[in-house]
Amino acid sequence: QVVLTQSPSASASLGASVKLTCTLSSGHSSYDIAWHQQKPEKGPRYLMKLNSDGSHYKGDGIPGRFSGSSSGAERYLIISSLQSEDEADYYCQTWDTGIRVFGGGTKLTVL
Amino acid sequence: EGQLVESGGGLVQPGGSLRLSCAASGFTFNKYWMSWVRQAPGRGLEWVATIKEDGSEKYYVDSVKGRFAISRDNAKNSLYLQMNTVTAEDTAVFYCAREGGGYQVWGQGTLVIVSS
Repeated sequence: QVVLTQSPSASASLGASVKLTCTLSSGHSSYDIAWHQQKPEKGPRYLMKLNSDGSHYKGDGIPGRFSGSSSGAERYLIISSLQSEDEADYYCQTWDTGIRVFGGGTKLTVL
Repeated sequence: EGQLVESGGGLVQPGGSLRLSCAASGFTFNKYWMSWVRQAPGRGLEWVATIKEDGSEKYYVDSVKGRFAISRDNAKNSLYLQMNTVTAEDTAVFYCAREGGGYQVWGQGTLVIVSS
């Protein structure tokens, strides 16, 4: 069964870039994933679908500062020109027949 | 893009039952798989259940199998979650979500508190 692993926390300075990582478990490196953002006391928001080849498709209204890339079993969310409103929890998610899986989430702090 | 609005949450006693609803609008409901996802206080997102476009396939996380039932009424553009024999561990915000390469559309959530 596929498992997604995320670091619990990350931080970066205002205006800088940050790369968040989601790692697929052994044997599942070909899986596509999705990234979601959740701000405090709010529901999740879909950011993008990220394919194993690094192509990604963003949701409506997602700023160009958000992008994704892939390398082997690693899936990345890259946020450039960090803004204060980017401070949030970020979850990766994947799917297979009969199951949906979330990573544990990464809490991003903008310094 | 579409909108999802959950309802039906509230306070329920351990061992009790509750039925959550999710009203969909702005998209062709019967063309999408739909899911329920929950988030316990201070915790991450947890997938609960998923149903195929026509209701012919349903999947559940192990912890709710035999207790929860997902269903849909495509004529009413509505998704449901029947929750039975609830425990304190079921206390969470429950979100409905539309699938399509990940959960593309999320509701605002409805809070379920299991307590005596």
